[in-house]
Amino acid sequence: LAKTTQPISMDSYEGQEVNITCSHNNIATNDYITWYQQFPSQGPRFIIQGYKTKVTNEVASLFIPADRKSSTLSLPRVSLSDTAVYYCLVGDAGNTGKLIFGQGTTLQVKP
Amino acid sequence: GAVVSQHPSRVICKSGTSVKIECRSLDFQATTMFWYRQFPKKSLMLMATSNEGSKATYEQGVEKDKFLINHASLTLSTLTVTSAHPEDSSFYICSARQAVVEKLFFGSGTQLSVL
Repeated sequence: LAKTTQPISMDSYEGQEVNITCSHNNIATNDYITWYQQFPSQGPRFIIQGYKTKVTNEVASLFIPADRKSSTLSLPRVSLSDTAVYYCLVGDAGNTGKLIFGQGTTLQVKP
Repeated sequence: GAVVSQHPSRVICKSGTSVKIECRSLDFQATTMFWYRQFPKKSLMLMATSNEGSKATYEQGVEKDKFLINHASLTLSTLTVTSAHPEDSSFYICSARQAVVEKLFFGSGTQLSVL
């Protein structure tokens, strides 16, 4: 399974756009890129998933360059409630579904 | 998104007892479920893959006799921590794969405290 590398922590202010980049140099052809959000003492919550180019949903956008060796999660206009740990995962969700978590990025949103 | 229910959310037990944690996919069938554990301020660590109708596949270093996994139906997997010790205290999280949309959904977690 491809290993991912993310910044350990990021700070932002309310109303700003936050971009978290994840590196996955060894991504395989069948691998999808999935981002999860986790609050303390809760299970991870699915945010967005993509394979290539750009994906957008009601909460975030995911940008994936052509070589797929990295991806960027974009959170528009963050609020205090977006303070959480964000995990980038790479895996073949269509096959075994097995996902290995990296260290994640702790996002702290300040007023 | 799909709903995965995990129960109990919190359990306190005495050392030497066994604890069972249930993971249910409420609105979809899951042939594969996964069990993770998480220590404070650490990432999730995959323990095992639970396969409906067959034996679980354990990650390296995870004792299969210690952490018993049963996946008897397409909507239920259970993790039993046998003869629990204080070092087993952790946050246990399950996830279920919804094959149709090729996504994993996670339960809310179970905080196990062994006294």
